[in-house]
Amino acid sequence: SAVISQKPSRDICQRGTSLTIQCQVDSQVTMMFWYRQQPGQSLTLIATANQGSEATYESGFVIDKFPISRPNLTFSTLTVSNMSPEDSSIYLCSVDRQGGDVTEAFFGQGTRLTVV
Amino acid sequence: AQKITQTQPGMFVQEKEAVTLDCTYDTSDQSYGLFWYKQPSSGEMIFLIYQGSYDEQNATEGRYSLNFQKARKSANLVISASQLGDSAMYFCAMREAPYNQGGKLIFGQGTELSVKP
Repeated sequence: SAVISQKPSRDICQRGTSLTIQCQVDSQVTMMFWYRQQPGQSLTLIATANQGSEATYESGFVIDKFPISRPNLTFSTLTVSNMSPEDSSIYLCSVDRQGGDVTEAFFGQGTRLTVV
Repeated sequence: AQKITQTQPGMFVQEKEAVTLDCTYDTSDQSYGLFWYKQPSSGEMIFLIYQGSYDEQNATEGRYSLNFQKARKSANLVISASQLGDSAMYFCAMREAPYNQGGKLIFGQGTELSVKP
């Protein structure tokens, strides 16, 4: 399995501010994925972060709102900008890891964000 | 378009009994992978089991097994001998890619399982 450290684990933020979430992986990975889980909902992919290139955003998510950095093959950050209460969610980073014949997806512990 | 459907918002099971969580999927691709994850109240996502579209045998991992019916496009999770610690949210997910390649996951809405003592 992959060891993924995600920080912070939770935060309460004021509307209009920004929060940067960090994701550190124990080994080099090509792609890192950022998901959002709104309260009582399923997970939705925000973007895919590749080292050395711009992140690829899913429909409904834009770089100005969710800027992503990927400075090396073991680290990524997601910033939630100009927050509103609608941004209150769990944010999770994920990486793929080869496990035998299968490429498994592993997740960080998640960041539980509340915007007040 | 890819879609995962979990029709059971909540399920109850008696401790030590088996329970089946339903998952159906829709894809036009021939190569895909199906995953099940457990999410306790802490919020972390715990990988449980994987089934590849070309796998002929149903996947098993300890008390977890996957009832894969390709023609019906279903991938139900069976938990045997339920334990109190199994109480959590369970998500079915699909990746449209060859099983040995990575990529994004599409998730179902989840089923909340409660195990009764």
